[in-house]
Amino acid sequence: QSVLTQPPSASGTPGQRVTISCSGSSSNIGNNYVNWFQQLPGTAPKLLIYRNDQRPSGVPDRFSGSKSGTSASLAISGLRSEDEAGYYCAAWDDSVSGHWVFGGGTKVTVL
Amino acid sequence: QVQLQESGPGLVKPSETLSLTCTVSGDSIRSHCWSWIRQSPGKGLEWIGYIYSTGSTNEHPSLKNRATMSADTSKNHFSLRLRSLTAADTAVYYCSRHLGSSIYDPFDIWGRGTMVTVSS
Repeated sequence: QSVLTQPPSASGTPGQRVTISCSGSSSNIGNNYVNWFQQLPGTAPKLLIYRNDQRPSGVPDRFSGSKSGTSASLAISGLRSEDEAGYYCAAWDDSVSGHWVFGGGTKVTVL
Repeated sequence: QVQLQESGPGLVKPSETLSLTCTVSGDSIRSHCWSWIRQSPGKGLEWIGYIYSTGSTNEHPSLKNRATMSADTSKNHFSLRLRSLTAADTAVYYCSRHLGSSIYDPFDIWGRGTMVTVSS
């Protein structure tokens, strides 16, 4: 059971916009930045969005992030076949001695 | 180009201790915070803990009594020891670099991961 809640799957056709939600609590998303990772099959995760809405160099602007209260979203616009991957949200959690928490992941399928 | 490479045994027996090392090239471990993260087969990601080159660490509450991390600046690598292994510890283990020098910065560089199976 992951601390952050994501839908297990999402899908869309090429060119469509897909949105993935990530729900948490006041000790994590509510009080800290949200980050998103993309994991292509058989590879390590890659940082996609950091500090809620910032893109690392090289990440296409088709990917965007937002946060409101204790929830966050990742949007993929102009969906492409190479976007088929797992997507994970992550945030620092202030509870206990402090630790990082992840969402369970969302598998995006391009139809 | 910064690269991280995990090394360690692929198979460990139940109740034994796992030792993994992450060798960093293209960057100094003095300049960032570093973390271990694992992913059980077909499952999500789980943060294990972070370490600074000074030796300061913090582990996930569920692993605090089994996980120990250390760093060796002379070899530019850091290590993880996980005791009392069970089948539930079977996973791909990743080492990663935090984007900045803060524990609150996310993981921007990852190793390729090493698969560890706990089985007799």
